[in-house]
Amino acid sequence: GDSVTQMEGPVTLSEEAFLTINCTYTATGYPSLFWYVQYPGEGLQLLLKATKADDKGSNKGFEATYRKETTSFHLEKGSVQVSDSAVYFCALQETSGSRLTFGEGTQLTVNP
Amino acid sequence: DVKVTQSSRYLVKRTGEKVFLECVQDMDHENMFWYRQDPGLGLRLIYFSYDVKMKEKGDIPEGYSVSREKKERFSLILESASTNQTSMYLCASSPGLRNTIYFGEGSWLTVV
Repeated sequence: GDSVTQMEGPVTLSEEAFLTINCTYTATGYPSLFWYVQYPGEGLQLLLKATKADDKGSNKGFEATYRKETTSFHLEKGSVQVSDSAVYFCALQETSGSRLTFGEGTQLTVNP
Repeated sequence: DVKVTQSSRYLVKRTGEKVFLECVQDMDHENMFWYRQDPGLGLRLIYFSYDVKMKEKGDIPEGYSVSREKKERFSLILESASTNQTSMYLCASSPGLRNTIYFGEGSWLTVV
């Protein structure tokens, strides 16, 4: 079945550092790919998405490119802020349906 | 903005109790979902519904049931709560196939 693997956390960075959170997937067909963010005590918010190969999703300075050849969707940000501290989830949406399959989540802490 | 509302943010229940978690969405979405979130496991799908009175099992349906009598409301039922059901429960909805899924803020359930 479909699966998503994220890099192990937690990740701790200093403010203005470069961020990469790795995400790879296994799926049949052509899934859509998502990054969701969960701030402390809250539910999940959609951060960005890409629906086909080579698409780049972007939002709030975060970017991720759908790479079919490497089955990856790595999240990047050039300069993180303390307010980016949260848990980040990579997810895929199967081709034929609407359900999401999630990775384990990566806890990011940004120190001033 | 899409609004997915979970009526209870924090609950404490006793082993063996029947527990109802309620979720309401205000955007006339076709699909609704219940996920469970546990550290290191990400989010796992319990049940989903693609129409009123229709439901499909997700990855971990054991010990749970659901009810969708009206389009806007999707209830998760724990028939006889057990301590291993202590978790955060997230409700979500989407307009249909291949559409973005929107999440509520979550319900923290502790079974003692």
